[in-house]
Amino acid sequence: GAGVSQSPSNKVTEKGKDVELRCDPISGHTALYWYRQSLGQGLEFLIYFQGNSAPDKSGLPSDRFSAERTGGSVSTLTIQRTQQEDSAVYLCASSPLSGTGGSNQPQHFGDGTRLSIL
Amino acid sequence: SQKIEQNSEALNIQEGKTATLTCNYTNYSPAYLQWYRQDPGRGPVFLLLIRENEKEKRKERLKVTFDTTLKQSLFHITASQPADSATYLCALDEPGGYNKLIFGAGTRLAVHP
Repeated sequence: GAGVSQSPSNKVTEKGKDVELRCDPISGHTALYWYRQSLGQGLEFLIYFQGNSAPDKSGLPSDRFSAERTGGSVSTLTIQRTQQEDSAVYLCASSPLSGTGGSNQPQHFGDGTRLSIL
Repeated sequence: SQKIEQNSEALNIQEGKTATLTCNYTNYSPAYLQWYRQDPGRGPVFLLLIRENEKEKRKERLKVTFDTTLKQSLFHITASQPADSATYLCALDEPGGYNKLIFGAGTRLAVHP
């Protein structure tokens, strides 16, 4: 597709359940980011993938959160044993290049998954 | 750690006027700064990037300035239109050798006919 695609667009689940959110980046983009946006708040960085390098997981709020990126393309963000404070919009972004000397690339965002924990 | 401050109050202006949004940061000066637009229910969309050695950048009706002494960027929309109504986010790069951004909470702009 032409842009970053995220699914599902909305997810409602009960507290304690596990959820998986999916991100399809723009073809050829080597960098992929996950963010969380709570109502009226800025974007909170969660995790970053770049090519075959080890991901930067420094933004993951707890060990209930994990993410993987298979084949350098599609990524899934998994939240285990969801809590009500996990309710937010989860945004994925990709960019064509990332690295020293090439760190000025805009990020291209999907429209997010709105997660609601009951 | 770096903090980004954007006016949390909505900016209401009349169509045709110039909108000016402010982004202040508190710590190190970034190598570059980006502005994004976000509409309700949508992801942010990139608008402009300005580097630390650039004072000003323009794109059509948009203008961004970057003052590393004041630790401030200003985002201007001239001849504003109701379609410009959205939330505008500024983002700064974080040192680390890759394109990691810190985002402000954004300022909502409402342009009235």
